[in-house]
Amino acid sequence: QSVLTQPPSASGTPGQRVTISCSGSSSNIGSNYVYWYQQLPGTAPKLLIYRNNQRPSGVPDRFSGSKSGTSASLAISGLRSEDEADYYCAAWDDSLRGVFGTGTKVTVL
Amino acid sequence: QVQLVQSGAEVKKPGASVKVSCKASGYTFTGYYMHWVRQAPGQGLEWMGWINPNSGGTNYAQKFQGWVTMTRDTSISTAYMELSRLRSDDTAVYYCARSNYDILTGLYGMDVWGQGTTVTVSS
Repeated sequence: QSVLTQPPSASGTPGQRVTISCSGSSSNIGSNYVYWYQQLPGTAPKLLIYRNNQRPSGVPDRFSGSKSGTSASLAISGLRSEDEADYYCAAWDDSLRGVFGTGTKVTVL
Repeated sequence: QVQLVQSGAEVKKPGASVKVSCKASGYTFTGYYMHWVRQAPGQGLEWMGWINPNSGGTNYAQKFQGWVTMTRDTSISTAYMELSRLRSDDTAVYYCARSNYDILTGLYGMDVWGQGTTVTVSS
């Protein structure tokens, strides 16, 4: 089962912009949409970005997603203390099976 | 409101099976796929598979084929995930999560999640 690759950690001071990368393959990211989930400590994941760059209602526009080829990225602008969490990218593959990224822990310094 | 409520924590011995339930409310149960995702202590998310509550069709991650069974009971809007031949490294929090599906564009993201069920495998 393939996994999408993310950096283990990222950090920034309040107000800064943080970017998280997600690397996959032609059978997942390369031919399907990318999703991003935020997991606050001790809670279930929450859908943050769907279909590469769409935000569900209620998600601040400080969060943005993009995709290019077999890679994707999540940007958090105007970093806030409440953004400290684990972030996971995800995609469906060509067999409609899911694959998650390895996860990135974001720390607000 | 839309919610998924999972069954309570389980403690099992190695080699046993566990069955976790996920009761949906606030939406049409058969209108959304149900996924199961697990997270071992201190680890990342692992997708296990989905069930289409309308047809009963399933799609499991290769790792779990022959080992996991996902079912549903539409009369009570509940999905189930049963994992057999448990080992200590199956100790994890198991989540159910729904996603929409469009025949033209495929699966959407998992937009509603259950609270998680802790399964501990220990002798």
